[in-house]
Amino acid sequence: QVQLQESGPGLVKPSETLSLTCTVSGGSISSNYWSWIRQPPGKGLEWIGYVYYTGATNYNPSLRSRVTTSVDTSKNQFSLKLSSVTAADTAMYYCARHAIAAPGTRLRHYDYWGQGILVTVSS
Amino acid sequence: DIVMTQSPDSLAVSLGERATINCKSSQSVLYNSNNKNYLAWYQQKPGQPPKVLIYWASTRESGVPDRFSGSGSGTDFTLTISSLQAEDVAVYYCQQYYSTPITFGPGTKVDIK
Repeated sequence: QVQLQESGPGLVKPSETLSLTCTVSGGSISSNYWSWIRQPPGKGLEWIGYVYYTGATNYNPSLRSRVTTSVDTSKNQFSLKLSSVTAADTAMYYCARHAIAAPGTRLRHYDYWGQGILVTVSS
Repeated sequence: DIVMTQSPDSLAVSLGERATINCKSSQSVLYNSNNKNYLAWYQQKPGQPPKVLIYWASTRESGVPDRFSGSGSGTDFTLTISSLQAEDVAVYYCQQYYSTPITFGPGTKVDIK
């Protein structure tokens, strides 16, 4: 059974960089797309971006200037960095796996999610 | 960006009755090359991550009770819970994965009447 676990600081100061890691267990990080999604308290879901196991990335244009995602296949982990954070970035951050798709085909839905990590931006 | 809308915002249904949630995309999410709608439905209970119920608009995820069904094509989709159970109280989201940025609907909260 594939499991995802987010880790990182739960409190980040304004203007600093939020850094999170998602550790994948029960399966290989290779051959899948991996996304970060966030959910402000009491609100809906916002896609942040994805990273492919090759390192290829795609980001939400609304966050593109501040987001970096990366993958470490040796550790079966992928990471998120969000710079210049403000209170508006306070949210539950989830990592999730896109269901496996044949090479060269379009993205698929999310079949596995982490439990999420609440990140608060405050001084 | 493809904008996803849902209706209603919330609904309360008696146990055993039918619940219907609608989702509309601002442009078609039907990929003509494989005739698949790139539309999924997720259920989120308090304190939990979303869980996929339906993908390809109408394919039930393994282990999901058959009282959950999805229908629709192109830009208009429906999630139906045929006989609401107490454990179905949750927020339901539709999501398009046809193109990036991936987008979600605002959610529909389902409660017991």
